[in-house]
Amino acid sequence: GQNIDQPTEMTATEGAIVQINCTYQTSGFNGLFWYQQHAGEAPTFLSYNVLDGLEEKGRFSSFLSRSKGYSYLLLKELQMKDSASYLCAVRDNSGGYQKVTFGTGTKLQVIP
Amino acid sequence: GAVVSQHPSRVICKSGTSVKIECRSLDFQATTMFWYRQFPKQSLMLMATSNEGSKATYEQGVEKDKFLINHASLTLSTLTVTSAHPEDSSFYICSAREPGELAGYGYTFGSGTRLTVV
Repeated sequence: GQNIDQPTEMTATEGAIVQINCTYQTSGFNGLFWYQQHAGEAPTFLSYNVLDGLEEKGRFSSFLSRSKGYSYLLLKELQMKDSASYLCAVRDNSGGYQKVTFGTGTKLQVIP
Repeated sequence: GAVVSQHPSRVICKSGTSVKIECRSLDFQATTMFWYRQFPKQSLMLMATSNEGSKATYEQGVEKDKFLINHASLTLSTLTVTSAHPEDSSFYICSAREPGELAGYGYTFGSGTRLTVV
């Protein structure tokens, strides 16, 4: 099985930078995703990492260290609309088939 | 980009009845689709992996006779909640993997189905 951990809630100020961490344990790692989900809506894709290092996409960046089972999502120049849940998800090939499992999600509140 | 259409968006049914939820990939063929369930203030829990032309793979603890999955074509997967009970009330979401070498960049989600069993 998998064990994916994220902080439950975070609060940050508009215009600031926030880092959301994710740790995971899996035997057949094949990529890590970050998704954003607003209440009552489906998740939307933010980023994907399969190799170690930092991937930057505008205000959002995602980092992966496979040896440490660790990833973070970095959000810069926070805006009020960034208030949402951020889900870390790991793709796994163990068990003979590929599946994506989500962490518990981090609810981010951006305050003025 | 890839689009996944999910219907219905909301459904209310009586306890003991069955409800079918459809998930369609509109502009790509999806050999694999995933079904998730999300309870309020919780994350998405993978229920099963739906493979076109073969039996679905269910996660531990998910009753395959209660949650029937059919993936008869490359663009359609259905989830039928049979003999629904109030505890089955939840947000059900499907996702499909975008094709291509950079498939890691895409697990597109449907808009979700809010099921309420009364």
